[in-house]
Amino acid sequence: DADVTQTPRNRITKTGKRIMLECSQTKGHDRMYWYRQDPGLGLRLIYYSFDVKDINKGEISDGYSVSRQAQAKFSLSLESAIPNQTALYFCATSEAGTYNEQFFGPGTRLTVL
Amino acid sequence: SQKIEQNSEALNIQEGKTATLTCNYTNYSPAYLQWYRQDPGRGPVFLLLIRENEKEKRKERLKVTFDTTLKQSLFHITASQPADSATYLCAREWIIFGKGTRLHILP
Repeated sequence: DADVTQTPRNRITKTGKRIMLECSQTKGHDRMYWYRQDPGLGLRLIYYSFDVKDINKGEISDGYSVSRQAQAKFSLSLESAIPNQTALYFCATSEAGTYNEQFFGPGTRLTVL
Repeated sequence: SQKIEQNSEALNIQEGKTATLTCNYTNYSPAYLQWYRQDPGRGPVFLLLIRENEKEKRKERLKVTFDTTLKQSLFHITASQPADSATYLCAREWIIFGKGTRLHILP
């Protein structure tokens, strides 16, 4: 089984709809992250959480919110989706500490019409 | 602002040769740099991490360098194989990722 899972894998929605992307991990890591990837722009950090009670904004948090329901679960919500939020979304985890690599999920392809 | 710059053009290398990818960063040196591999439609996979006080790191056919004077990291794949074809991402810690360089190993 995959260590970091994301649901759904693909989603098409309409402008103005609320949508939630979910991430679960079995690695036992404290730290979790949400990124989006757009062609030609690379990965950009949306939100990150260093433990269950910690939530921090990243570079592009406007229009998004998150919830850390447990150590293993980190959800990303789009309260009112807009077309420029069409992108590939990745969740990642890492151990606490400075020099630790990240483990990425398979991604969610979101299309907002 | 901090930036990570990678050559956005695709790199074509003949099988068996060494592929060298470049990552340049701006402003102060990061505590570490990371390199990831990404295949189409999939999540990035970690390859190597190099700390600011390390000059070079190796793992099998992979080697990464960190030059704080040039503000640059080089990523090498020796004896390249068609299976090495992918996009390679450089990251400043976990905060800023480059756009990636597409590598094609030609048989």
